Amino acid sequence: QSVLTQPPSASGTPGQRVTISCSGSSSNIGSNNVYWYQQLPGTAPKLLIYRNNQRPSGVPDRFSGSKSGTSASLAISGLRSEDEADYYCAAWDDSLSVQLVFGGGTKLTVL
Amino acid sequence: EVQLVESGGGLVQPGGSLRLSCAASGFTFSTYSMNWVRQAPGKGLEWVSYISSSSSTIYYADSVKGRFTISRDNAKNSLYLQMNSLRAEDTAVYYCAREAVSPLDYWGQGTLVTVSS
Repeated sequence: QSVLTQPPSASGTPGQRVTISCSGSSSNIGSNNVYWYQQLPGTAPKLLIYRNNQRPSGVPDRFSGSKSGTSASLAISGLRSEDEADYYCAAWDDSLSVQLVFGGGTKLTVL
Repeated sequence: EVQLVESGGGLVQPGGSLRLSCAASGFTFSTYSMNWVRQAPGKGLEWVSYISSSSSTIYYADSVKGRFTISRDNAKNSLYLQMNSLRAEDTAVYYCAREAVSPLDYWGQGTLVTVSS
């Protein structure tokens, strides 16, 4: 049972826009930054979005992040076949002890 | 180029111990905090532990607290994870990751730990 809640799957056709949600609480998303990571099949995860909506250099502007209250979302526009991957949200949680918590991951399928 | 290379994984019996290492290069290791993250086969990501650049601040996931110890040697550009009292549920690929703009900016390729009799 993950602390952050993501839908297990999402899908879209090439060129479409898809969004992936991430729900948390006041001790994590509500008071800390949200990060998104992309894991392509058989590879290590890669940073996609930091500080809620910032893209590292090299990440296409088709990827965008947002946060409101205790929820966050990742949007991918102009969907491409190479976007097929697992996506994870993460945030620091400082409820009882400081821990980095993840969502369960969303498997994105490009139809 | 930032490089993180994990080593030390393998097969270990329940109750056994293992020490993972992460060799860092391509950046000034001593100025960055580091994390360990694991991924059980076919499962999602689970954060394991954090250590600040000077080792003054350390955090652990509840699932490993009291069994795992994170440490670093800045002179050797290396991060470590001492894992004791291993359980079947500790079976996973273990990644080390550097913290900068996010807790996990750069990731290694991981090392597989299998706990089984």
